[in-house]
Amino acid sequence: GAGVSQSPSNKVTEKGKDVELRCDPISGHTALYWYRQSLGQGLEFLIYFQGNSAPDKSGLPSDRFSAERTGGSVSTLTIQRTQQEDSAVYLCASSPQPPTSGANVLTFGAGSRLTVL
Amino acid sequence: GNSVTQMEGPVTLSEEAFLTINCTYTATGYPSLFWYVQYPGEGLQLLLKATKADDKGSNKGFEATYRKETTSFHLEKGSVQVSDSAVYFCALSDHRNAGKSTFGDGTTLTVKP
Repeated sequence: GAGVSQSPSNKVTEKGKDVELRCDPISGHTALYWYRQSLGQGLEFLIYFQGNSAPDKSGLPSDRFSAERTGGSVSTLTIQRTQQEDSAVYLCASSPQPPTSGANVLTFGAGSRLTVL
Repeated sequence: GNSVTQMEGPVTLSEEAFLTINCTYTATGYPSLFWYVQYPGEGLQLLLKATKADDKGSNKGFEATYRKETTSFHLEKGSVQVSDSAVYFCALSDHRNAGKSTFGDGTTLTVKP
């Protein structure tokens, strides 16, 4: 697609429910990233995919969080048994090549705003 | 580990004022440095970047120079416009942790007519 698409744009859920957030990266981009942006704070890294594999899951805050990517394209971030502290904007980004050089430019989606009541 | 510290906001300026948003970093390697901008209701987008010491990134009238000696990458613009109102994020990535760009907390800029 023309840009990184995320859905839903807004999600309100009750504490304890599971949620799925979807990211459709730019066509041909092999690297995909999930970040979390809490109110008034910077971006917190969650997970990085290169193709379908996740070399770096170090940012996932707990085992309630998981992510997968199939076909080297769409990714789903799943949060099980949501808690109020999970409320944040979840951002997805992609880049066109493996970030071996360090000069890794990310293209972000508009984000999925999650509110846990 | 890597970290980025940027000037706390919010920053409010009048149109045509000079802008500086400070950014300093800590990295064990030789990082590439970035400024991203997030306009209201939109996703983050790259504003400019610099990949080695003394490089100057520039775009849309904004500039930032990679200063290794002071570990800084301050963002400047000589004359801001109302349309520059946004949140600005300083970020770095290095080849050893290139899957995980590190971002500052963001600085909100409001430009008044």
